Amino acid sequence: DAGVIQSPRHEVTEMGQEVTLRCKPISGHDYLFWYRQTMMRGLELLIYFNNNVPIDDSGMPEDRFSAKMPNASFSTLKIQPSEPRDSAVYFCASSLIAGLGTEAFFGQGTRLTVV
Amino acid sequence: QKEVEQNSGPLSVPEGAIASLNCTYSDRGSQSFFWYRQYSGKSPELIMFIYSNGDKEDGRFTAQLNKASQYVSLLIRDSQPSDSATYLCAVNSRTNTDKLIFGTGTRLQVFP
Repeated sequence: DAGVIQSPRHEVTEMGQEVTLRCKPISGHDYLFWYRQTMMRGLELLIYFNNNVPIDDSGMPEDRFSAKMPNASFSTLKIQPSEPRDSAVYFCASSLIAGLGTEAFFGQGTRLTVV
Repeated sequence: QKEVEQNSGPLSVPEGAIASLNCTYSDRGSQSFFWYRQYSGKSPELIMFIYSNGDKEDGRFTAQLNKASQYVSLLIRDSQPSDSATYLCAVNSRTNTDKLIFGTGTRLQVFP
């Protein structure tokens, strides 16, 4: 398996524009996580899905952020409208069983810059 | 108080020495503890996990857990320059064992 695949790898956009980040989890993994990483706040969990169903979105910073998982092999994270403070690296990760001792595999991340 | 705290470093050790990375957590009900390594510009990758008090060894790496003190550490023996990276401590949430809460990481530098 190619691992977790994210696109694009880099995104530069202007403030106010819509941004869509994409993720393809490892085949057969039941859980999908979206994280955001910044120097100041580290790696923050935004939302996660189990079997395509959103389980916990308490980490989503505000209504400008939304995430979907229409099927087991695809998820999107959308920011509309984008703001400079959204600049960060966004990681998608997937795992077979979350929780005790289960490895989450991370994608290579999308580096988002909002100017 | 942050849920998971780590010293940001950098921690500098000479090649061949033991590197000791520390992490404290605030939730007494946390059950599982993970160490991830992240090279600059790359994604995190799992090194070890531990959920019982005591030590767990895997090659040059040893994870140590003390739930009474809410403390978990990672020892790297015979440190190599290739170990230079940021090490992230992660703890699962008591209220939701599916969630991993990460610390901000400790940057380790191993110099020849």
